[in-house]
Amino acid sequence: DQQVKQNSPSLSVQEGRISILNCDYTNSMFDYFLWYKKYPAEGPTFLISISSIKDKNEDGRFTVFLNKSAKHLSLHIVPSQPGDSAVYFCAASGYGGSQGNLIFGKGTKLSVKP
Amino acid sequence: DAMVIQNPRYQVTQFGKPVTLSCSQTLNHNVMYWYQQKSSQAPKLLFHYYDKDFNNEADTPDNFQSRRPNTSFCFLDIRSPGLGDAAMYLCATSRGGSFGANVLTFGAGSRLTVL
Repeated sequence: DQQVKQNSPSLSVQEGRISILNCDYTNSMFDYFLWYKKYPAEGPTFLISISSIKDKNEDGRFTVFLNKSAKHLSLHIVPSQPGDSAVYFCAASGYGGSQGNLIFGKGTKLSVKP
Repeated sequence: DAMVIQNPRYQVTQFGKPVTLSCSQTLNHNVMYWYQQKSSQAPKLLFHYYDKDFNNEADTPDNFQSRRPNTSFCFLDIRSPGLGDAAMYLCATSRGGSFGANVLTFGAGSRLTVL
């Protein structure tokens, strides 16, 4: 049973517009959440994270929002650029992120069209 | 650049023929992980080492073993690969320890094909 769900396998956005990638989780013990980005033929790379004590974290064009009551987080990319085209994985961890073991979603493939 | 290197990038084996995938890191991270990712699926943790302590996930088949002879290297051994073991195998590292230290650094992966 999936504990981290990314229900949209793909998303297409025009360059310059906002990309919103969504993620839902079921385990209330998760308290640290991360987004990874993966290009073809490369391993996933860390993008941004948020702990459960926050509801928003921002890093440049990337913002992650966490709604604990809804067990939902989202990644906003503004403005979207063609180089953002990649697969984005949502991941969650318990134990304050101090050990084990990230649980990943299946990923959302983002295509940003020029 | 400090990084995580996986070899080989592509491995083809025959049904039942043992395979070893390797991972090395120059980050001096305490924790090394092996994930299995099948097509269009989420990466799934097989096991991890925290220093020399081995932690196996409950649903990892016995067919999968791992060795970590030193801080820098970790190996994934598949004793008798089946067709269902064809996947991308991702090695990752993390510092471990304190809060927020669970950011993983991944290698580029080893894609296993079983004939």
